[in-house]
Amino acid sequence: SQKIEQNSEALNIQEGKTATLTCNYTNYSPAYLQWYRQDPGRGPVFLLLIRENEKEKRKERLKVTFDTTLKQSLFHITASQPADSATYLCALDKFVDSSYKLIFGSGTRLLVRP
Amino acid sequence: ETGVTQSPTHLIKTRGQQVTLRCSSQSGHNTVSWYQQALGQGPQFIFQYYREEENGRGNFPPRFSGLQFPNYSSELNVNALELDDSALYLCASSPDERGANEQFFGPGTRLTVL
Repeated sequence: SQKIEQNSEALNIQEGKTATLTCNYTNYSPAYLQWYRQDPGRGPVFLLLIRENEKEKRKERLKVTFDTTLKQSLFHITASQPADSATYLCALDKFVDSSYKLIFGSGTRLLVRP
Repeated sequence: ETGVTQSPTHLIKTRGQQVTLRCSSQSGHNTVSWYQQALGQGPQFIFQYYREEENGRGNFPPRFSGLQFPNYSSELNVNALELDDSALYLCASSPDERGANEQFFGPGTRLTVL
């Protein structure tokens, strides 16, 4: 069955460095992939969407890559700040009952130290 | 523009009871999805409603049911509550059902089953 893997260990980095989070998937070829940010006790907030025919997408300090051969997406935050500390979720589309639905990974917690 | 709202914020029930959770979609959005998020996990897709019809369902038993109303607000009903139903329940709206859109999440309802 389809599986989405994100590093369950928290990523702990120094302010100003680049954070890189990984999302791997198996047994599926998604048409698109999304990244969300979730703060404790709150709902996820959309960050970026990348389609299967796009290699890279950028938005301000954020960059997402999508390698359909490796079945992997990388999410980068450059010049990280303590305010970037949160859990980051990747989500793939899955065709369910004639339309696409989102299936989420378990998320990776990012902690940016001042 | 009003965001997605959910009620109640917190709820405590006992095993075997029934619960109804409510969601008000973002203005102009005709699609709502419901997710269950256990502690330390990513959101799990329960089902989606598009224009008042169920439009896809995840691996949840029939005791999880829903409704979407003409104004696109919606409800999630869970019968015969079990201890494992304790989780954060999230609803998310999007402008159409085709899937390749960002989802706008509400803050969630924290359900505790004792």
